Amino acid sequence: EVNLVESGGGWVQPGDSLRLSCAVSGFAVSSTYVGWVRQTPGKGLEWVSVINSVGTTHYSNSVKGRFTISRDTSRNTLHLQMNSLTVEDSAIYYCGRISRWGRGTLVTVSS
Amino acid sequence: DVVMTQTPLSLSVTPGQSASISCKSSQSLLQSSGKTYLYWYLQKPGQSPQLLIYEVSNRLSGVPERFSGSGSGTHFTLQISRVEAEDVGIYYCMRGIEFPWTFGQGTKVEIK
Repeated sequence: EVNLVESGGGWVQPGDSLRLSCAVSGFAVSSTYVGWVRQTPGKGLEWVSVINSVGTTHYSNSVKGRFTISRDTSRNTLHLQMNSLTVEDSAIYYCGRISRWGRGTLVTVSS
Repeated sequence: DVVMTQTPLSLSVTPGQSASISCKSSQSLLQSSGKTYLYWYLQKPGQSPQLLIYEVSNRLSGVPERFSGSGSGTHFTLQISRVEAEDVGIYYCMRGIEFPWTFGQGTKVEIK
């Protein structure tokens, strides 16, 4: 059974960094496109970043240069390193693939 | 970025009646492969979005037959026949090719 569990969210101040993790079971993180989507009341759903089976990464313009997606195939885990956070990055962050997402982890950026 | 526009933004439906949601893309989603990477999701209250339909018209395993997708190019439709109480939530279309993948604004469906 496919399962994804996000962790690492929390409250940080503008300019801080945060690293999100996603423990995956039921499929290999290196087998398909996997990534991170975020959701805010104002902006709706936004794909933040994806990584494909050969390791090619993509980022939305809003996070390019600040966020880095990576995967650990030995632990079957996905990560999102978020640097230089702003209040606009506050959201629920979901990890997953097109057909299945986790329950999400909340990131709050506020002074 | 490609813009996905959903209409209506909200819908109130009597149980047993049908509902239809439109999704229009600012660019054609038809690929040279012949595939069209258009997806429909339902986000039930308090949950993460769940995939209902992939590649325009294919129901994910376990999705009730009352959900159907259609369309081509830039115009797509999700049809819910015989709406049930468990169908409440926000429905999103999503374009899944050439990052950034983009979502529609969402259509909130409630039961009368």
